[in-house]
Amino acid sequence: AQSVTQLGSHVSVSEGALVLLRCNYSSSVPPYLFWYVQYPNQGLQLLLKYTSAATLVKGINGFEAEFKKSETSFHLTKPSAHMSDAAEYFCAVRVYSSASKIIFGSGTRLSIRP
Amino acid sequence: KAGVTQTPRYLIKTRGQQVTLSCSPISGHRSVSWYQQTPGQGLQFLFEYFSETQRNKGNFPGRFSGRQFSNSRSEMNVSTLELGDSALYLCASSSTGTGSNTEAFFGQGTRLTVV
Repeated sequence: AQSVTQLGSHVSVSEGALVLLRCNYSSSVPPYLFWYVQYPNQGLQLLLKYTSAATLVKGINGFEAEFKKSETSFHLTKPSAHMSDAAEYFCAVRVYSSASKIIFGSGTRLSIRP
Repeated sequence: KAGVTQTPRYLIKTRGQQVTLSCSPISGHRSVSWYQQTPGQGLQFLFEYFSETQRNKGNFPGRFSGRQFSNSRSEMNVSTLELGDSALYLCASSSTGTGSNTEAFFGQGTRLTVV
């Protein structure tokens, strides 16, 4: 079965510092992976998606993620954190046999220190 | 292009009552999925409708049901509400639904509180 595991339920970084949110996946077939962001009392917004075209995926708001098959990882990074990045981030995988069923990780809350 | 619209945004119901939530997908999208988000269980898949047919179902009791209309709008119904049904219910729409990399666009959710 496909699944994703997010390491760290809460990450805190200083403004301007590197953001690294970790995600590992489990899949017996090539996965389709996503990162979503959720601001308080809002729905989910797609940050980026991996579709096997390139291992380094660039998303919105300066975020990017690298797909590493050997490590079964899809970590999210941003070189310099901004106060507006404070939110909850979800790694997700689309179930291979279903076009619309997405399995989400447990989420990582990102806090930014001034 | 308008996004996914969910109504109402907030709802308070009493145990034992039933509730209906509505979702209007992005124009042209035929797939609508529903998710429940709670602090304890995170984001869980409820079900998916495509062209008025339920195509996928998660592990939820029969009290949770849904339907999709010919204009792709979808409703979700929860009967005999329990305190544990308090959650943020999110709706997501996708285009044709084919191709595993099809991205889902989410609405802002309906916050249901059961008292």
